[in-house]
Amino acid sequence: AQTVTQSQPEMSVQEAETVTLSCTYDTSESDYYLFWYKQPPSRQMILVIRQEAYKQQNATENRFSVNFQKAAKSFSLKISDSQLGDAAMYFCAYRYPNSGYALNFGKGTSLLVTP
Amino acid sequence: DTGVSQNPRHKITKRGQNVTFRCDPISEHNRLYWYRQTLGQGPEFLTYFQNEAQLEKSRLLSDRFSAERPKGSFSTLEIQRTEQGDSAMYLCASSSRDRGHNEKLFFGSGTQLSVL
Repeated sequence: AQTVTQSQPEMSVQEAETVTLSCTYDTSESDYYLFWYKQPPSRQMILVIRQEAYKQQNATENRFSVNFQKAAKSFSLKISDSQLGDAAMYFCAYRYPNSGYALNFGKGTSLLVTP
Repeated sequence: DTGVSQNPRHKITKRGQNVTFRCDPISEHNRLYWYRQTLGQGPEFLTYFQNEAQLEKSRLLSDRFSAERPKGSFSTLEIQRTEQGDSAMYLCASSSRDRGHNEKLFFGSGTQLSVL
């Protein structure tokens, strides 16, 4: 069974600084997709970044980048130049095989951004 | 593109009552997913449809839960004989592949269920 673990319930960062959110996962698949989603107080899940396991290059989207370590089954999210609008719950997710685009989410990390 | 719409936004019911939630996906999306999110947890996948076919339902929490997508457009999630443990947010998402076989999920804002 695939599991996704986020070991940091809460993180705090000062505006303009950099923060890294951790995620580990377990799978026996060799090819898979990993995601980071943001959930602000509005409750709507928003895709932050996606990584395909067969791609060795780490994904980057503007201020967001990942450190994907396939052998270690680690998938951390780095947020650079943090902004107040980055404050939200962040969920790491793994795509279930053979279930369309259904995702298995971790428990989440609450990110607080201080001025 | 008005996004994924879920109704109602909030539902309060008494234990033992049946409830039904509706999800309207993005119009051209052929896949639709239901999730449950309890407090302090990530969303938990329940079921999904490709067009009108329900291709995964083994993760529905019990036989009190059922979902339909009769014409391959909107979907409903019904919970019969609600229990207090059913209190949660129910999220819907939809997706479709583009020509490059890329797929992206779009989530609705959810229906918050409170069972008294």
